[in-house]
Amino acid sequence: NAGVTQTPKFRVLKTGQSMTLLCAQDMNHEYMYWYRQDPGMGLRLIHYSVGEGTTAKGEVPDGYNVSRLKKQNFLLGLESAAPSQTSVYFCASSPRQGYHSTPSGHTGELFFGEGSRLTVL
Amino acid sequence: QQQVKQSPQSLIVQKGGISIINCAYENTAFDYFPWYQQFPGKGPALLIAIRPDVSEKKEGRFTISFNKSAKQFSLHIMDSQPGDSATYFCAASVETSGSRLTFGEGTQLTVNP
Repeated sequence: NAGVTQTPKFRVLKTGQSMTLLCAQDMNHEYMYWYRQDPGMGLRLIHYSVGEGTTAKGEVPDGYNVSRLKKQNFLLGLESAAPSQTSVYFCASSPRQGYHSTPSGHTGELFFGEGSRLTVL
Repeated sequence: QQQVKQSPQSLIVQKGGISIINCAYENTAFDYFPWYQQFPGKGPALLIAIRPDVSEKKEGRFTISFNKSAKQFSLHIMDSQPGDSATYFCAASVETSGSRLTFGEGTQLTVNP
């Protein structure tokens, strides 16, 4: 009963390096999201996907790319890391609205992973 | 622009007291207002949610009050306990947007024993 799993949990990069964060969910959810969390700024949406093979930009997409080749996986890439990308990154998934209810009864409920802490020096 | 504003940034309450966190939104198209709770080192988890067809929703010690005309909603935690110490986020979305939540800035709640 893993839910949403993020790897790696911690990573330190130097400016200009690239890396990929992996998110995997085992709940057969249609929608997946990448958020970043920064002190005093809440959670901001980077990119999201409404189904396998689809991606879309969120609120703060610059400097990031994503791919959803398989329904259960959502990858977040940083091609050339910058210190401003130092943050905690959260992946989330949710069922397709109007079709499924979660145990709480909320079709819009997001299920989050435990986060990936990235430091860019 | 921050479409959902949350206050206070931090809150300290004594055990047994009432914790109140407030949020205000700008987009009148928002029609789903959840609150998420986050413990240190964990991801946020849904706590309680409301839709604008009701003015209040209660689940145990947690209550959302919703004022559509003022575009404000708040979370009340009655009989606050040390185990409630966490960061709380309000959020809002347009349900047809595919759960694309816009989050508030977060409130760090500390409940002292």
